[in-house]
Amino acid sequence: DVKVTQSSRYLVKRTGEKVFLECVQDMDHENMFWYRQDPGLGLRLIYFSYDVKMKEKGDIPEGYSVSREKKERFSLILESASTNQTSMYLCASRRLAGNAYEQYFGPGTRLTVT
Amino acid sequence: DAKTTQPNSMESNEEEPVHLPCNHSTISGTDYIHWYRQLPSQGPEYVIHGLTSNVNNRMASLAIAEDRKSSTLILHRATLRDAAVYYCILRTSYDKVIFGPGTSLSVIP
Repeated sequence: DVKVTQSSRYLVKRTGEKVFLECVQDMDHENMFWYRQDPGLGLRLIYFSYDVKMKEKGDIPEGYSVSREKKERFSLILESASTNQTSMYLCASRRLAGNAYEQYFGPGTRLTVT
Repeated sequence: DAKTTQPNSMESNEEEPVHLPCNHSTISGTDYIHWYRQLPSQGPEYVIHGLTSNVNNRMASLAIAEDRKSSTLILHRATLRDAAVYYCILRTSYDKVIFGPGTSLSVIP
């Protein structure tokens, strides 16, 4: 089974703190993603990465950055956390299955910024 | 971007089949239809996907209309563990994925 793990299930940080959210996948997938999920808004793409050292902005990259130094690890960084970044953060990796992609998600990190 | 519409919620009795509908009238020829589900307090889980033909796997079946403007996820025998939010999503060759609010499925014992 594909495993996508995230470093924390729950995290509480203060406004202005630098926050690191780590994601690791063990299936040698090249593509990895970071989403946030908020009530009524569904999942929104923050950043994604096609391969090591590559990154692309998603729909809502403002206030975030990412790092992909190794294939299995994709980190999301909040340079200076703000209360509007309180959310559930989901990491995903994907593989090509036939002609389509199957995307596998981690359990999520619920971040609260006070 | 092609969008999908699903009912907000549905109920099913345990052990009975469940048909979860999805409308995607603006689907393009390259869009694959994906279904994910999300159990409470967990990340989304892949269920099934298809392009034109009906698909079956160990979790569910996917029935796709001939004009591809709608599809139905079929759970053959609902269990309590199937209670979740089910998302119908269109995937293209691009990475942008639109997750709508999904259908919240309740399973009644």
